[in-house]
Amino acid sequence: RKEVEQDPGPFNVPEGATVAFNCTYSNSASQSFFWYRQDCRKEPKLLMSVYSSGNEDGRFTAQLNRASQYISLLIRDSKLSDSATYLCVVNSRNNNDMRFGAGTRLTVKP
Amino acid sequence: DTAVSQTPKYLVTQMGNDKSIKCEQNLGHDTMYWYKQDSKKFLKIMFSYNNKELIINETVPNRFSPKSPDKAHLNLHINSLELGDSAVYFCASSQSPSSEQYFGPGTRLTVT
Repeated sequence: RKEVEQDPGPFNVPEGATVAFNCTYSNSASQSFFWYRQDCRKEPKLLMSVYSSGNEDGRFTAQLNRASQYISLLIRDSKLSDSATYLCVVNSRNNNDMRFGAGTRLTVKP
Repeated sequence: DTAVSQTPKYLVTQMGNDKSIKCEQNLGHDTMYWYKQDSKKFLKIMFSYNNKELIINETVPNRFSPKSPDKAHLNLHINSLELGDSAVYFCASSQSPSSEQYFGPGTRLTVT
């Protein structure tokens, strides 16, 4: 089993839609979780950290489910500018590094 | 005031050559990384340094050698370049090995 797994998509949604991505991780002792966004031919950029109690930043909501070992990202009222690849990141079993998922590609269409 | 910078941005070279990529961060972070992103877009960690000490050394050919002269710099030297080395190489830094990472703009390496 891969350390971090994501549905690669692509997800094609209309503007204004709500879309959710899940990411599963294999190490039950993982402590740090993040969502990154990567635009085409650009570097990954931190979108938000994921806290145990869940957290929200504008249209974006991140949640952690430790029992089932997954994190989720919900995007409400999708904008064209949300089109990107979303990467989930989990710290690895020895706590010394972060492991990236392969990314989920989102396209928001007019 | 760029946080994480890499040079060069583009690198085109022939097989068998030796090349270096430089990375600098001005965030005062203790940890720095090198990642490789190939044509399939999967981001794979190669090396990580914490306080100038190598803490992650993934299974990469020993033609790749990182060097950290100080906490703000992490360079990557590649010997005897091969076609399969063509990829985008990203440098990143973080406050600690378990905190969020900030990426440089990437170096697009093409080996012909």
